[in-house]
Amino acid sequence: EIVLTQSPGTLSLSPGERATLSCRASQTVSSSDLAWYQQKPGQAPRLLIYGASSRATGIPDRFSGSGSGTDFTLTISRLEPEDFAVYYCQQYGSSPPYTFGQGTKLEIK
Amino acid sequence: QVQLQESGPGLVKASETLSLTCTVSGGSIRSYYWSWIRQPPGKGLEWIGYLYYSGSTNYNPSLKSRVTISVDTSKNQFSLKLTSVTAADTAVYYCARIKNVLFDYWGQGTLVTVSS
Repeated sequence: EIVLTQSPGTLSLSPGERATLSCRASQTVSSSDLAWYQQKPGQAPRLLIYGASSRATGIPDRFSGSGSGTDFTLTISRLEPEDFAVYYCQQYGSSPPYTFGQGTKLEIK
Repeated sequence: QVQLQESGPGLVKASETLSLTCTVSGGSIRSYYWSWIRQPPGKGLEWIGYLYYSGSTNYNPSLKSRVTISVDTSKNQFSLKLTSVTAADTAVYYCARIKNVLFDYWGQGTLVTVSS
């Protein structure tokens, strides 16, 4: 099983600042199989990034993804108030096919 | 616009079977994979399993012995059964559509509490 470890657990920033979230895999993950989701309180997760770096439909261009192999990054260039949420990375693999990271909580400083 | 809605009991007794249904509207259940994912209160996401509309399934090995996911194409629904539940199965349960290996549409989620 591929384990995804996200860091930091909590990130405290102010609106307008840049956020950098990390996702590290225990084994090599194909870039095409790495995604990021955003979850706000009381809501279902929403797909943000797929294929490590492609934005999903309707996602603002302040969100970007990068990385390969075992290290992946989600960057939010300038934080808007609505961006404060929990972010999960997710990979598609073999057994089990789907695993998620434990999440990074992005909170207002 | 595809919409998914979970339904089922919000309270299940320990050792009994949790049963949930996901109703798909705004699109056909055919030609896609469909999944269940859960989230214990205050914790992260755990994939439970998925099925193809034809009925083929794949389950998380950690839950495989207790999980069954089935489909009713005539009702545009798919269902989850989880047997022998314990307090550790208390969670918000989401249904989701899988497109190109991604979870692109999600239900709002339903909280299931296991009581002793």
